[in-house]
Amino acid sequence: EPEVTQTPSHQVTQMGQEVILRCVPISNHLYFYWYRQILGQKVEFLVSFYNNEISEKSEIFDDQFSVERPDGSNFTLKIRSTKLEDSAMYFCASIGGDGTGRTYEQYFGPGTRLTVT
Amino acid sequence: LAKTTQPISMDSYEGQEVNITCSHNNIATNDYITWYQQFPSQGPRFIIQGYKTKVTNEVASLFIPADRKSSTLSLPRVSLSDTAVYYCLVSSGNTGKLIFGQGTTLQVKP
Repeated sequence: EPEVTQTPSHQVTQMGQEVILRCVPISNHLYFYWYRQILGQKVEFLVSFYNNEISEKSEIFDDQFSVERPDGSNFTLKIRSTKLEDSAMYFCASIGGDGTGRTYEQYFGPGTRLTVT
Repeated sequence: LAKTTQPISMDSYEGQEVNITCSHNNIATNDYITWYQQFPSQGPRFIIQGYKTKVTNEVASLFIPADRKSSTLSLPRVSLSDTAVYYCLVSSGNTGKLIFGQGTTLQVKP
C-alpha cells in the first residue's frame, strides 16, 4: 500500500533556529496538509495546499510558518524562528481528491517529533 | 463544521465487541461521518466513512440512524492491538481539513 513518508523522525533544535520538516506524499495525490499534535493534546490542522498554493490555514499557521512543494514530490514545512511552544509531532497528510473511492481518506505520515530547547 | 461528542475513554477485554458512539447533533446535509484511529506516536489512520445507514469494511462497521445525529463505530472481537484513540469527525467536501476532537481512548485488556 502506498504511504506518506516524513523526515526526519525526530528533530531537536534550539529556540530561534529555523527548521524544515520534509514530507513525501503519495505520488498521485493532489491535496496536501500539515497537522501538529502537542504531547497529550489533540491533532490540530495547520495548513492545506493545492495546486501550488495554500488553500486554507489555521490561526496557528502564522508568519513564522511556510510551506512549499519545491520539486513535485516533496512537501515541506518551514518554521523560521522556532519557539518552545512549537515542540510537537508534526504530521503530513495527502489525499487524492479524484472523487473516487475513499474520498475523505487522508493518508497521514508517521510524523516528525520536533523538540525545541 | 459540526461539533462531535464522544466518550473520553472506554475499557474492553479481548474478544469483545466494542461500540463507540459519537453525537453530532448539528450535522449538515452534505456532511459525511468519518472515523480515524491513532496509535501512540503515529499518525491517524482512516478506519471507515459513511453517510447514512450501515457501512461495513474489513476492520469495522459504522451505524448511522436515519436522523444522522449520531453514529456508532463497532469493532468486532477486539484484540490488544486495538488499543488506540478513536476519532469521530464530521465534514463536508472531500479535500478539506480534518478537525479532530479529543477522541475516545480505548483500552483493551487481556
